[in-house]
Amino acid sequence: GAVVSQHPSRVICKSGTSVKIECRSLDFQATTMFWYRQFPKQSLMLMATSNEGSKATYEQGVEKDKFLINHASLTLSTLTVTSAHPEDSSFYICSATGSNYGYTFGSGTRLTVV
Amino acid sequence: DAKTTQPPSMDCAEGRAANLPCNHSTISGNEYVYWYRQIHSQGPQYIIHGLKNNETNEMASLIITEDRKSSTLILPHATLRDTAVYYCIVRVAGGTDKLIFGTGTRLQVFP
Repeated sequence: GAVVSQHPSRVICKSGTSVKIECRSLDFQATTMFWYRQFPKQSLMLMATSNEGSKATYEQGVEKDKFLINHASLTLSTLTVTSAHPEDSSFYICSATGSNYGYTFGSGTRLTVV
Repeated sequence: DAKTTQPPSMDCAEGRAANLPCNHSTISGNEYVYWYRQIHSQGPQYIIHGLKNNETNEMASLIITEDRKSSTLILPHATLRDTAVYYCIVRVAGGTDKLIFGTGTRLQVFP
């Protein structure tokens, strides 16, 4: 089946620094990738949708300058949290889909900003 | 906003069937019902989806009412590993439309 690899699984960073999270589709071409954020005991909240080679579409209330998304190839999308602050601490999850494939999710990245 | 309504939590004894309901009264004719689950601190996992007929796979069964306004996910013999949050989502099949998650049902399977 379709596999999506997300890296790193956990990261701790200092306040003010930037963190990059990678999402790779291992055995299919992902024309569209999605980034979600999940706070404890809450549901997944969609942050943005990215199509290969295009600018990402951000959901209302998500700061595009803070959460930089790049989808330069059909197998890789990255989310960079810039100038991270403690309130950005969360569980970030990517999802990928391509033609003839459903939605496959990565295993998530636990970000802690100290 | 999510177009589905689910109970926030349910309990089930191990080995018994777990029946998880979902209301989707505003579902459109071309929208499918999808079910995903999320085990603690992992990404969501696809379970099953259907349009109007009942569906079954190795993980679960999906029963959709004739008017398609509600559905039930059935885990026939729940195990402790089935403890998770279960999400019911409606969307058009195919394409790359975004998945919007509701609050889901937290299923606790107990020994």
